[in-house]
Amino acid sequence: DAKTTQPNSMESNEEEPVHLPCNHSTISGTDYIHWYRQLPSQGPEYVIHGLTSNVNNRMASLAIAEDRKSSTLILHRATLRDAAVYYCILSPRNAGNNRKLIWGLGTSLAVNP
Amino acid sequence: KAGVTQTPRYLIKTRGQQVTLSCSPISGHRSVSWYQQTPGQGLQFLFEYFSETQRNKGNFPGRFSGRQFSNSRSEMNVSTLELGDSALYLCASSLEGQKSGNTIYFGEGSWLTVV
Repeated sequence: DAKTTQPNSMESNEEEPVHLPCNHSTISGTDYIHWYRQLPSQGPEYVIHGLTSNVNNRMASLAIAEDRKSSTLILHRATLRDAAVYYCILSPRNAGNNRKLIWGLGTSLAVNP
Repeated sequence: KAGVTQTPRYLIKTRGQQVTLSCSPISGHRSVSWYQQTPGQGLQFLFEYFSETQRNKGNFPGRFSGRQFSNSRSEMNVSTLELGDSALYLCASSLEGQKSGNTIYFGEGSWLTVV
């Protein structure tokens, strides 16, 4: 089961960009990189995912290293509502794959006003 | 469309008792996964059901079990409760399960306290 490594916590100021790193050195060629975040007292919610190319959506951007062994979630302008635990996980491409998703403890992001 | 619904939201049980938690996935989703979340351990995968069959299982004792019905609704059961079972239990649904491109949608969870 492929694991990811993230810093336990990070801090940012409101309206500044935030770069959340994730290492996944054992990533398989068929794994997608997914990011979720968990706001206080809620279940995790999807943020973004990608395979090889950088990805952008309304919530964030995902920058993937050329060797795919690391990635960075970018929040372009942090708001107080972005304070959450961010999880980086590897998702197998094939349906029915027996490999389990490994969530880890994620990165707890604090946003200062 | 309605999200993932979990019931009950909060419950308190006594050691030795058993508990059943319920999850209604998003309409059309055939995969339901269950996770246990505790402060020190993060999200721990319990099991995944797809079309009424258990497709994957985490490293939990046999006291933890689940099932999925034909309408994709799922229940998980914990028997002979222990203090260490106190946790947030999260249900997640997706179209086809743990597959790239399949977004996983979580419910708000069921908070279980064992006393």
